Amino acid sequence: AQRVTQVQPTGSSQWGEEVTLDCSYETSEYFYRIFWYRQLFSGEMVFLIYQPSFDTQNQRSGRYSVVFQKSFKSISLVISASQPEDSGTYFCALSELISGTYQRFGTGTKLQVVP
Amino acid sequence: EAAVTQSPRNKVAVTGGKVTLSCNQTNNHNNMYWYRQDTGHGLRLIHYSYGAGSTEKGDIPDGYKASRPSQENFSLILELATPSQTSVYFCASGGIKNSDYTFGSGTRLLVI
Repeated sequence: AQRVTQVQPTGSSQWGEEVTLDCSYETSEYFYRIFWYRQLFSGEMVFLIYQPSFDTQNQRSGRYSVVFQKSFKSISLVISASQPEDSGTYFCALSELISGTYQRFGTGTKLQVVP
Repeated sequence: EAAVTQSPRNKVAVTGGKVTLSCNQTNNHNNMYWYRQDTGHGLRLIHYSYGAGSTEKGDIPDGYKASRPSQENFSLILELATPSQTSVYFCASGGIKNSDYTFGSGTRLLVI
């Protein structure tokens, strides 16, 4: 069963706009982390930001932030002032700390930012 | 610079043949992982390891074996390759810090 769901297979944005990418997940554990990555067209995976379940504060890192809705088991990645170089495929991933250190990934959202 | 290096970058194999994908990390991470990426499925976990000599099954281990002979090296082995194993394979290493799940550049495998 899919533990991590990204229902938006594609998305688009214009230069300078704020972009929101959605992710939902299934877990019965109390301690877990959600990660966001961007995959470049070359295939390289770049870590962006993570949210620990025990932290009620939404995490921020540069132009990236998350909206963490723990009770709904959903998390959104927000990219402010999007730029063409933000284009790529965005993955969210779930790591359940008791089960192991591995991460389970969603199917990704391919984002295109146009000038 | 710490890194995860995969070899080969591209591989064409025949059905029924044996394929070995190699991964080397210089991050000094205990944990290493093998994923495959297919359109519509994202990255799916095949095998992982917590250290030299250990291998664990991930979500889709059937048809794959793994070997971790040392801290630095983690191999994925397809004993009898099938066309359904055509995919892009990613190796990753991970330590204690939250942000240091480092990926290799991927291996494109075509089984004909």
